[in-house]
Amino acid sequence: KAGVTQTPRYLIKTRGQQVTLSCSPISGHRSVSWYQQTPGQGLQFLFEYFSETQRNKGNFPGRFSGRQFSNSRSEMNVSTLELGDSALYLCASSHGGTLGNEQFFGPGTRLTVL
Amino acid sequence: AQSVTQPDIHITVSEGASLELRCNYSYGATPYLFWYVQSPGQGLQLLLKYFSGDTLVQGIKGFEAEFKRSQSSFNLRKPSVHWSDAAEYFCAVGATNDYKLSFGAGTTVTVRA
Repeated sequence: KAGVTQTPRYLIKTRGQQVTLSCSPISGHRSVSWYQQTPGQGLQFLFEYFSETQRNKGNFPGRFSGRQFSNSRSEMNVSTLELGDSALYLCASSHGGTLGNEQFFGPGTRLTVL
Repeated sequence: AQSVTQPDIHITVSEGASLELRCNYSYGATPYLFWYVQSPGQGLQLLLKYFSGDTLVQGIKGFEAEFKRSQSSFNLRKPSVHWSDAAEYFCAVGATNDYKLSFGAGTTVTVRA
């Protein structure tokens, strides 16, 4: 069974640009969550989608947005990039969409903003 | 809101020695508790989880954790570490119907020969 796939794995952008990151969950999983990981702030929850509906959102500015498609694949978008957006962005998927179901994490997308 | 504290930023342990990583959580009700491990350049891998029932939980790779409600703790242990256990370990807490995990800052484990 293929794991969670995130593309691209590495990305370099400049301030002011926008970026879209993609996450393909494990087949059959309907919940996708996104986390930002930085040395200073650690792992922080961005948002969670289940069956194309956003069920929870973390404390991030509106520049951070996401969506989920009918095939459960998810994208997150960051507009007007800032230097502080440089981070590892992790996606996790789970089967049933509750915390009782194990979340499987992808390898992440390393975003560098110059 | 729930939160997690991992008091130890870095721990160095000799191969074959025992390991204990501390985790304290803050949450009003019975939380969902997790331990994850992250190797360099990798995502997170679940070691074990606690929802209810037996307070001593067995996980993968020989790890176990004990939930102590009175101390709001969920410490991770391994009797004998291997060099491959060198990694960063994260404790996380989640709430029912919250659909998100709150992570601690992580503990980096170095294993010396």
